[in-house]
Amino acid sequence: GAGVSQTPSNKVTEKGKYVELRCDPISGHTALYWYRQSLGQGPEFLIYFQGTGAADDSGLPNDRFFAVRPEGSVSTLKIQRTERGDSAVYLCASSLSGLGGLGTQYFGPGTRLLVL
Amino acid sequence: QQQVKQSPQSLIVQKGGISIINCAYENTAFDYFPWYQQFPGKGPALLIAIRPDVSEKKEGRFTISFNKSAKQFSLHIMDSQPGDSATYFCAANSGGSNYKLTFGKGTLLTVNP
Repeated sequence: GAGVSQTPSNKVTEKGKYVELRCDPISGHTALYWYRQSLGQGPEFLIYFQGTGAADDSGLPNDRFFAVRPEGSVSTLKIQRTERGDSAVYLCASSLSGLGGLGTQYFGPGTRLLVL
Repeated sequence: QQQVKQSPQSLIVQKGGISIINCAYENTAFDYFPWYQQFPGKGPALLIAIRPDVSEKKEGRFTISFNKSAKQFSLHIMDSQPGDSATYFCAANSGGSNYKLTFGKGTLLTVNP
């Protein structure tokens, strides 16, 4: 079946603009995670959804970042008033459940965001 | 605070050799330790994972060794191939932290033909 898909694959925007990044998880996966990967670094956790609710948003860097998953499937990460420091690859992962050992996290290819 | 420390940062191995990447963790609540492989322009893909109730897990050419008392685990790639050239990340999580993965900084592996 299809894996996790993310759109757009690349996004170039200007400082101060608003962007939306979309994630389509694997069908049937209830758990969805967003991570951010800066150049030369490992992915860093942003937010975790179990179904429609954000179960853990402790990784969001500030209130400019927000994410939704209204129907428990597709998720959108929203960044307001973008800053150059937001430039990174934004990765989405899904798993069959939130259980780390029983639910392997499958990653999408990421959205490469560049803020000029 | 870096909860998972990974070394080396980069590694060059000849074809057929053994690649070894090491990780150390601080949080004793971690109970799941996966390794991910990432090719340029792609997302991380799970390679192999281990739980702390075993000291070693082998899948094909890939082996994880786990030392719970030292809070260390390592990835061994036997008979390394040029196609193994990629960035490898160790990670850890636990149920108490909603299974969010904490990653190491990665190791860029180059296998020369």
